[in-house]
Amino acid sequence: EAQVTQNPRYLITVTGKKLTVTCSQNMNHEYMSWYRQDPGLGLRQIYYSMNVEVTDKGDVPEGYKVSRKEKRNFPLILESPSPNQTSLYFCASSPGTSSPLHFGNGTRLTVT
Amino acid sequence: GESVGLHLPTLSVQEGDNSIINCAYSNSASDYFIWYKQESGKGPQFIIDIRSNMDKRQGQRVTVLLNKTVKHLSLQIAATQPGDSAVYFCAENPWGATNKLIFGTGTLLAVQP
Repeated sequence: EAQVTQNPRYLITVTGKKLTVTCSQNMNHEYMSWYRQDPGLGLRQIYYSMNVEVTDKGDVPEGYKVSRKEKRNFPLILESPSPNQTSLYFCASSPGTSSPLHFGNGTRLTVT
Repeated sequence: GESVGLHLPTLSVQEGDNSIINCAYSNSASDYFIWYKQESGKGPQFIIDIRSNMDKRQGQRVTVLLNKTVKHLSLQIAATQPGDSAVYFCAENPWGATNKLIFGTGTLLAVQP
């Protein structure tokens, strides 16, 4: 089944403790992206990647890192999480320009 | 800044009726638009898309209309079913912003039995 898989689905952590949210897609998509979803603000792009070893900042990149060493994986790294990063995170992928994004089922992160 | 917005945050309809969800966009350079459905606990799911060289596109029970003159996008759902209850987002892709989608904040569609 074609899908975008995120792990974990739920994560509670404390301020400053490094964490990684994994994302993997099995559709051989070149483009991958991370979004956060907050009430009243909709989906905002954090980082995106056009292909392996090619990443760029989205609209809200502060406090996040990403890597794209393989085509299928695009992990999101929070080196020192803070409470304002408490949010619902989505990974997405697509075949290329002007194509629909396929989303994972989300990771709900709580930073205390 | 440029943004995508929705006229109605909540829409309540009776089962079997047709639903219309509206969206206003502000970037006249946008050339690609998508509607997504998000059910509770799930990620956004692609419903239908339309490019700026079209003004109407139909899918299964859904139709998207694009009015570039007034920068308005709508999603019509025919014979709305309880399973259609969800939050619906429109998104635009500004021309030249490769794969950068700007999302609206969403409309909650509540289908009453």
